Amino acid sequence: DTAVSQTPKYLVTQMGNDKSIKCEQNLGHDTMYWYKQDSKKFLKIMFSYNNKELIINETVPNRFSPKSPDKAHLNLHINSLELGDSAVYFCASSQRWENTGELFFGEGSRLTVL
Amino acid sequence: KQEVTQIPAALSVPEGENLVLNCSFTDSAIYNLQWFRQDPGKGLTSLLLIQSSQREQTSGRLNASLDKSSGRSTLYIAASQPGDSATYLCAVRTFGNQFYFGTGTSLTVIP
Repeated sequence: DTAVSQTPKYLVTQMGNDKSIKCEQNLGHDTMYWYKQDSKKFLKIMFSYNNKELIINETVPNRFSPKSPDKAHLNLHINSLELGDSAVYFCASSQRWENTGELFFGEGSRLTVL
Repeated sequence: KQEVTQIPAALSVPEGENLVLNCSFTDSAIYNLQWFRQDPGKGLTSLLLIQSSQREQTSGRLNASLDKSSGRSTLYIAASQPGDSATYLCAVRTFGNQFYFGTGTSLTVIP
């Protein structure tokens, strides 16, 4: 039973298109995140949500719009895709904001923009 | 701003050898430190979590230590196996619920 699941696992699309990635966690966690992992494997936080509310929005182009319909779901929509958006996007969750518990990751969604 | 460094970037060892992976961080004001494993094309799997008040955590052949004052953590892997080959990342959690990741150590265990 997957704790943090993302779909799709792979996306290949043309520049200028719009795409969405969905994330769901069944751990009962309050806090969810989107991370971007670049080609050098560096993980960079994009967004942090707590109880469906956006808490942290790092310097990310406004073409990226997260949406949390409920505590268990955090989706990421990307408009007008650019070549530089090619990366692996990871969803993660933790039990509560300001809590010392573990961070759990999904399997990642590899986005390739042609 | 917190910076997390992992050295070496890559490590290759023969099967059966004991090894140590290093993680250093610049600001000792942390909640905890977590070690992850990432297999190619996969997500991050949590290995060990050490709270700021703890000195070490053990799970099977893995032992992680934390020296907060010096900004260092080590992950010790005993009797390495080819299945241990992966990238190992450490992450520190700071106040304000920020997570800072190292760039990882790519481990290859040669049969």
